[in-house]
Parts: sequence; C-alpha cells; structure tokens
Amino acid sequence: AQKITQTQPGMFVQEKEAVTLDCTYDTSDPSYGLFWYKQPSSGEMIFLIYQGSYDQQNATEGRYSLNFQKARKSANLVISASQLGDSAMYFCAMRATTGANSKLTFGKGITLSVRP
Amino acid sequence: SAVISQKPSRDICQRGTSLTIQCQVDSQVTMMFWYRQQPGQSLTLIATANQGSEATYESGFVIDKFPISRPNLTFSTLTVSNMSPEDSSIYLCSVETRLGNTEAFFGQGTRLTVV
Repeated sequence: AQKITQTQPGMFVQEKEAVTLDCTYDTSDPSYGLFWYKQPSSGEMIFLIYQGSYDQQNATEGRYSLNFQKARKSANLVISASQLGDSAMYFCAMRATTGANSKLTFGKGITLSVRP
Repeated sequence: SAVISQKPSRDICQRGTSLTIQCQVDSQVTMMFWYRQQPGQSLTLIATANQGSEATYESGFVIDKFPISRPNLTFSTLTVSNMSPEDSSIYLCSVETRLGNTEAFFGQGTRLTVV
C-alpha cells in the first residue's frame, strides 16, 4: 500500500519569495514515482514536476524544484520567486512504476496563498 | 503530452437523475482513469477505464452507480447514476500516454452539484 502525507496548514508566502511545500510518503514498492500537481480554484489539475525513485538528481522544472530525500521518504516541492498566480491547492502524489497498476495515490493537499 | 477535453465543465442536476461525463484525448493513450474529488478533499480513484472491456473499480465504487465506457483508445465516459447530494464533487479524467510514463495528465474536471 502507498501513503502520502501532507500535514502543513494553509501556507502563506510573500510575492517573489521562495516557499517549500512538504510531502512525505510510505511505500513497499522498490520503484516508484512522485508527482506534484497544482489545482487552482477552477478545479483543473495541472502537472508540475516528477521525480523517479532511482533518479540521481533532484527534478527541476522552471521555478519548481523537488527536494527528494529518499532515506527520509520526503519529496518537498520548492517554488522560487512566488507569483500571485501560484495561489492554489498543491497535491503530492505517487505511484509504483513496476507492475500493471499505475494508479496515483494523492495526499490531502496544501493551500498556498501568495501575498502581494 | 496529451490534450484532454472533458465535458461538461460543470452542471447542476436534480437528485435521482443521471449525468454522463465525456473525456476525449487528442492521441491514443494506454491508461485512462476516473477520479472523484469531494468538496475540500483529495482525489480518490473511482476506476480504471479499460478499452473494450469492463472497467476495474476501486473499493467502494460499483458499476451500477458509476458505469464507465471506453470504446477506443482516445475516448471514455463516466456516468453518475441516480444522483444524490452526496455525489456533488469534481470528477476528473486522467490519462497516461505509455506505461511507466513520468507524467499523468488530467482533464479540466467536471464540477457537479446535485440539488
């Protein structure tokens, strides 16, 4: 079984500053992938970044980077130079990358508010 | 990447009626999934839509309530049957373009309100 934990309360960040959104996970699968999604108030789920469990380097995508610490089972999302448009819910998710079952398991999400 | 068109984007329905949600992808995909997101909650997988065969449902979801079709590799529908206010949620279609892909894409979601 897989489990994603996101326990931070609503997060606030000043515009142009960096913010870290926490995510810890638990799995018995030897190979897995970790995802972050952004969900604005419109409801769509926007894919942000992916980290494979065997990737040697932390993933980066523009202003998004993933601080992957495998031994601690954490996959925190770092957003640099926050923008007002970053205000949204953020979900961490994972799935096994071996076997036929590739469904995603999601955390409860974190609300991020960017202040001008 | 894949472009996913999900319709309708939102609807308000009377209890006891049914709503069919469509998910159209611009390319052939290996896997299609349907998720539910209840108000203020995270996403929960309803079922995996299998091309040409019956969908695979997760615990707590049944075919009579959530019938799913997937006639080809680019299209799927989810029907929410005999609706009650508890079915008010966002329903999301998700696709993967190949097994083991490092991305999983979502449609825009269908915001359903049952009154």
